[in-house]
Amino acid sequence: AQSVAQPEDQVNVAEGNPLTVKCTYSVSGNPYLFWYVQYPNRGLQFLLKYITGDNLVKGSYGFEAEFNKSQTSFHLKKPSALVSDSALYFCAVRGINNAGNMLTFGGGTRLMVKP
Amino acid sequence: NAGVTQTPKFQVLKTGQSMTLQCAQDMNHNSMYWYRQDPGMGLRLIYYSASEGTTDKGEVPNGYNVSRLNKREFSLRLESAAPSQTSVYFCASSERLRRGGLQETQYFGPGTRLLVL
Repeated sequence: AQSVAQPEDQVNVAEGNPLTVKCTYSVSGNPYLFWYVQYPNRGLQFLLKYITGDNLVKGSYGFEAEFNKSQTSFHLKKPSALVSDSALYFCAVRGINNAGNMLTFGGGTRLMVKP
Repeated sequence: NAGVTQTPKFQVLKTGQSMTLQCAQDMNHNSMYWYRQDPGMGLRLIYYSASEGTTDKGEVPNGYNVSRLNKREFSLRLESAAPSQTSVYFCASSERLRRGGLQETQYFGPGTRLLVL
């Protein structure tokens, strides 16, 4: 069975500082990895995904994520945080052996960016 | 282009009541999904429809039924609501769910907040 872990319930960072939101995964075969963001009272918005190729994936709003196969991680990063980045972030994985091709989500990490 | 829309936005039910959550998408997507979101548990798949005319159970289907009314619409029904079904429900769609389509992105609606007393 595939699974995703987001070890931090909340990440606090000062505006202008770099941010990292951690994600580790477990899946059979090659992983397909996604990051979504959820703003208050809104649905999930797609940020970026890793399929194959470069380990550093660039996405929306200046976010990027680094795929590390040996550490089974896909951490979300941004060089300079904005207050408007404050939201709930979800990592998700889909594995090639998952017959239903279903996404499995992590529990979410709340990012708080303080002015 | 509204994307994925859901109605209602908020609903309060008494235990044992029934209701249907509506979802529609205008992106001509073939596949649609229903998730529930509970604190600390991320999103869990309830049911999905790979294409018009097909539906399948996800991770947590008990207590729910679905109908893929046409290509645009996918409804979720609670026949006899229970307090454990208090949650936020999200509908999503993707272009096509198939073997090999692992890279497809799902697009989400704004959610329905359901409270069962």
